[in-house]
Amino acid sequence: AQSVTQLDSHVSVSEGTPVLLRCNYSSSYSPSLFWYVQHPNKGLQLLLKYTSAATLVKGINGFEAEFKKSETSFHLTKPSAHMSDAAEYFCVATTGTASKLTFGTGTRLQVTL
Amino acid sequence: KAGVTQTPRYLIKTRGQQVTLSCSPISGHRSVSWYQQTPGQGLQFLFEYFSETQRNKGNFPGRFSGRQFSNSRSEMNVSTLELGDSALYLCASRPTGQETQYFGPGTRLLVL
Repeated sequence: AQSVTQLDSHVSVSEGTPVLLRCNYSSSYSPSLFWYVQHPNKGLQLLLKYTSAATLVKGINGFEAEFKKSETSFHLTKPSAHMSDAAEYFCVATTGTASKLTFGTGTRLQVTL
Repeated sequence: KAGVTQTPRYLIKTRGQQVTLSCSPISGHRSVSWYQQTPGQGLQFLFEYFSETQRNKGNFPGRFSGRQFSNSRSEMNVSTLELGDSALYLCASRPTGQETQYFGPGTRLLVL
């Protein structure tokens, strides 16, 4: 069985400051991990994915995430937050080619002036 | 390529009715999955279809069903609606052999 834990339900940062959204996973197998973003009343947009090729993964809009097997973590970071980054972020896991995604509970990112 | 499309975008039904939601995947994608998103339960997997066959199923009652057509379009049906079925229903498609799923904008269902 696998599970995904997002350690913060809500994160607030000032515009221009770094963003850190934390995610831990638990899986019996080597997982594939994803970060998706959901803006209000929208579907989910893929930010980035880890599939064992490289531990540091770069995504869209300046986001990146580092896979740390020893810590079972896949934290999402961005050097400088922008107002448009305000949204809900989901850490997601899957194993093998299974299509059944396991979602974290989401982290709402608030960006203030 | 056009993205995943879902119709309708918004729906209001009353308890006891049934509803059908539609999803058109990205051209060439044969796998379609459905998810339910609610404030209390978060995002939960409903089922996956591939080449007109249900390949995976989540822990939902039999009132939730789906099907897929030969053109990969998929429909989801919920019978005997309950208030708790109010949710955003998301559809996602993925290319064969790949894990990344691409989501549609969702259908927001309100059951009164």
